[in-house]
Amino acid sequence: NAGVTQTPKFQVLKTGQSMTLQCAQDMNHEYMSWYRQDPGMGLRLIHYSVGAGITDQGEVPNGYNVSRSTTEDFPLRLLSAAPSQTSVYFCASSYSTGYNEKLFFGSGTQLSVL
Amino acid sequence: SQQGEEDPQALSIQEGENATMNCSYKTSINNLQWYRQNSGRGLVHLILIRSNEREKHSGRLRVTLDTSKKSSSLLITASRAADTASYFCATDTGRRALTFGSGTRLQVQP
Repeated sequence: NAGVTQTPKFQVLKTGQSMTLQCAQDMNHEYMSWYRQDPGMGLRLIHYSVGAGITDQGEVPNGYNVSRSTTEDFPLRLLSAAPSQTSVYFCASSYSTGYNEKLFFGSGTQLSVL
Repeated sequence: SQQGEEDPQALSIQEGENATMNCSYKTSINNLQWYRQNSGRGLVHLILIRSNEREKHSGRLRVTLDTSKKSSSLLITASRAADTASYFCATDTGRRALTFGSGTRLQVQP
């Protein structure tokens, strides 16, 4: 079983460039979310989705866009990359209609913005 | 500030010893979860304890929850080198997302 798949694993961008981080899950989970992980700060929620066509902002949404056209995919778009967006990004999904039980995580995308 | 704060930030023990890490949180919760993260990998769910539970076991893991003190502890018994990882608590406060702490880095020396 693939679970949650994130691509790419590594990416280097220049300031001002845009890119899309891909996330796909094959578990038919309704709930998907994006977190960023910075040293000493744990994981902070960027955006989340409770189903196709439904998205909402998390704790640190500025500079990021999301959409959810299918149950399987939840891409994260960086509109104009900034050095402050250098981080490790994790996508997660959950089977629970209560959203907050047992998240399944992808292996992460390490992003550097120069 | 973080809803969940782990303590200690780092812990080094010998193989076979027990490891205890703590998590404190600020607001009322529906459940509290513990996750493990191996270096360079994603987080893996370990155990969930609900607000009406006080203790839960899973293999070598024992989790306690004290809602009056807004704290939880994770005990790993008979630690192995393979337990070396970072451990995070995460709280469900009724929002549509979990809130994670900053983690405890556990090093188990062989």
